[in-house]
Amino acid sequence: GQNIDQPTEMTATEGAIVQINCTYQTSGFNGLFWYQQHAGEAPTFLSYNVLDGLEEKGRFSSFLSRSKGYSYLLLKELQMKDSASYLCARGGGGSYIPTFGRGTSLIVHP
Amino acid sequence: EPEVTQTPSHQVTQMGQEVILRCVPISNHLYFYWYRQILGQKVEFLVSFYNNEISEKSEIFDDQFSVERPDGSNFTLKIRSTKLEDSAMYFCASSDNRPSYNSPLHFGNGTRLTVT
Repeated sequence: GQNIDQPTEMTATEGAIVQINCTYQTSGFNGLFWYQQHAGEAPTFLSYNVLDGLEEKGRFSSFLSRSKGYSYLLLKELQMKDSASYLCARGGGGSYIPTFGRGTSLIVHP
Repeated sequence: EPEVTQTPSHQVTQMGQEVILRCVPISNHLYFYWYRQILGQKVEFLVSFYNNEISEKSEIFDDQFSVERPDGSNFTLKIRSTKLEDSAMYFCASSDNRPSYNSPLHFGNGTRLTVT
C-alpha cells in the first residue's frame, strides 16, 4: 500500500499559522498532492510537489522531502473558511494516480 | 471555470438493483476517474479510463462494476446488483494529462448512493 499517514484532527485560531504533516511510503514515489475537502463537497486541488523543497501559492505552501517520505502543508493567516479536511495523496507504485490518505480535519476557531 | 458535473446528486436504490452514475468531464480532458468515499472514511480510487479503455483499476473495482464512455461527453459508472456496502459518495474526476502540477484531478460534486 501507499501507507500515507496524517494527523486525524487539528485545531487552530483565526489569523494563525498551521502546519499539517504527511508521511508516506517512499518506494515508487511519483509526486505528492494536497487537496482540500469541505464537508459534503468534492476535493479541490491545492498543490503538487515532485521535487524537494517548498512550493508557495498565496496563503498556502507545501513542502516535500523525498528522502524522508515527508510533506507538509502550511496555511497562513487562517480564516474560518479554511475549516475543512486536508487530504494528502501520492502517486506511486508504478502509477501516477493519486492515492489518498485519511485526511486531517482542521477546525479554525475565532 | 469549466467543471466536472455529476448526476444525480443523490440516488437511493434497493439491494440487488443496478445503478448508473453519470458524469460529464471537462471537455478538453482526456483522463477520467471514479473514486468513492464511504462516510467518514478516505477517498478511494476505483478506476481510471484513457483512450476509450480502462488504464488502471483497484481491488475494489471487481466484476460488479463497469465504466463506459458512450459518447463524446459522458462517462458512466455502472454497479450491477448493488450491496449495502456500496453506499458511499461516488466522485468522478478528470485531468487533461497524467496527474501532475499542471494536470491535477478536477473532481465533480459527487453522487451520494444509498443502498437499502
